Amino acid sequence: DSGVTQTPKHLITATGQRVTLRCSPRSGDLSVYWYQQSLDQGLQFLIQYYNGEERAKGNILERFSAQQFPDLHSELNLSSLELGDSALYFCASSPGADEQFFGPGTRLTVL
Amino acid sequence: DQQVKQNSPSLSVQEGRISILNCDYTNSMFDYFLWYKKYPAEGPTFLISISSIKDKNEDGRFTVFLNKSAKHLSLHIVPSQPGDSAVYFCAASASFGNEKLTFGTGTRLTIIP
Repeated sequence: DSGVTQTPKHLITATGQRVTLRCSPRSGDLSVYWYQQSLDQGLQFLIQYYNGEERAKGNILERFSAQQFPDLHSELNLSSLELGDSALYFCASSPGADEQFFGPGTRLTVL
Repeated sequence: DQQVKQNSPSLSVQEGRISILNCDYTNSMFDYFLWYKKYPAEGPTFLISISSIKDKNEDGRFTVFLNKSAKHLSLHIVPSQPGDSAVYFCAASASFGNEKLTFGTGTRLTIIP
């Protein structure tokens, strides 16, 4: 158990809909990262927040947005969903040291 | 453009033998490298890392080697155990800590009893 929690575990929705994925980092970790893993692909970095502020942005679509709240939990919002958005979404947290600790992921299926 | 490449999608190794997983990178700005292990239905778990100032880092059965001139790193697992069967991801970052990781596509390692 990495100490990073993600909810929900699974999400099934239809094209055009909007969903919110939630992540609670390890206690004390200020950085939260979001990654997307599509079928048979590596993890693609989406966005990083540090202590409530956006710190780095990767290949995140304009239909996607994220935020980190004062209690340090983070939410990833995906809107106008398309079939290609079906993937595993991982959240990771870091104390600012060398490695990132990953949550178990949310599997999103868009039908 | 895949900046971190793991060219072997899968690898099978007999239990007790050495497993060698390879990773190549193209971005010369990368200066920190990590290996993660992933079981089905779980998130990746950190295994071992190496900074660009070193060429080798060892932790128990796991050793990572870095060849900067060739932009190549490898993970050695000796001896391989059935519990090592998992997908292994190589990752790199452009600064030490707290920065985005660029991942390879992973190598599925199967240890044959």
